[in-house]
Amino acid sequence: AQSVSQHNHHVILSEAASLELGCNYSYGGTVNLFWYVQYPGQHLQLLLKYFSGDPLVKGIKGFEAEFIKSKFSFNLRKPSVQWSDTAEYFCAAKGGSQGNLIFGKGTKLSVKP
Amino acid sequence: DTGVSQNPRHKITKRGQNVTFRCDPISEHNRLYWYRQTLGQGPEFLTYFQNEAQLEKSRLLSDRFSAERPKGSFSTLEIQRTEQGDSAMYLCASKGDTNTEAFFGQGTRLTVV
Repeated sequence: AQSVSQHNHHVILSEAASLELGCNYSYGGTVNLFWYVQYPGQHLQLLLKYFSGDPLVKGIKGFEAEFIKSKFSFNLRKPSVQWSDTAEYFCAAKGGSQGNLIFGKGTKLSVKP
Repeated sequence: DTGVSQNPRHKITKRGQNVTFRCDPISEHNRLYWYRQTLGQGPEFLTYFQNEAQLEKSRLLSDRFSAERPKGSFSTLEIQRTEQGDSAMYLCASKGDTNTEAFFGQGTRLTVV
């Protein structure tokens, strides 16, 4: 069965620190991968997505992710975090043929000012 | 575009009562998904509609759960004889055929006491 795993439950960083959140997926077919962010009290919003092509994907707010097929990974990165990046981050893979998503458990990011 | 709207935002109910949630997708989005998110977990897929047809149901969707999308626009999710284990955030997402990602609502938080 497909699954998505996120390695870190809670990450605490100071402003300007670099960020990398791990995500691994298990799936043998065509891979569609996503990172969603959920700011406190708000709905899930798409940060970036990978469908094909360049494995380095750039998203909104300075985030990027790299698809490494050999490692089944899709890690999220940001060179310098801000206090406003405090949120929960979810990695997801497209599941069934109907487009439903399989989510990881999420990583809570706290950025100290 | 007002986004995906879910009502109510919060619902507290006594065990054994029935509850119904509503989701209004982005207009003209023909695909609609329901997810459930419990504390410390990522969203888990419940069911999928394409227009008014319910095309996929997760095994998480027990007999006490029923979803409808009668005219292919808004959808309702009903839980009968609620149990404490039903306490969760219920998320709705919609997607059009030309979109590569789903758009999420803010969710309905259900607390069963």
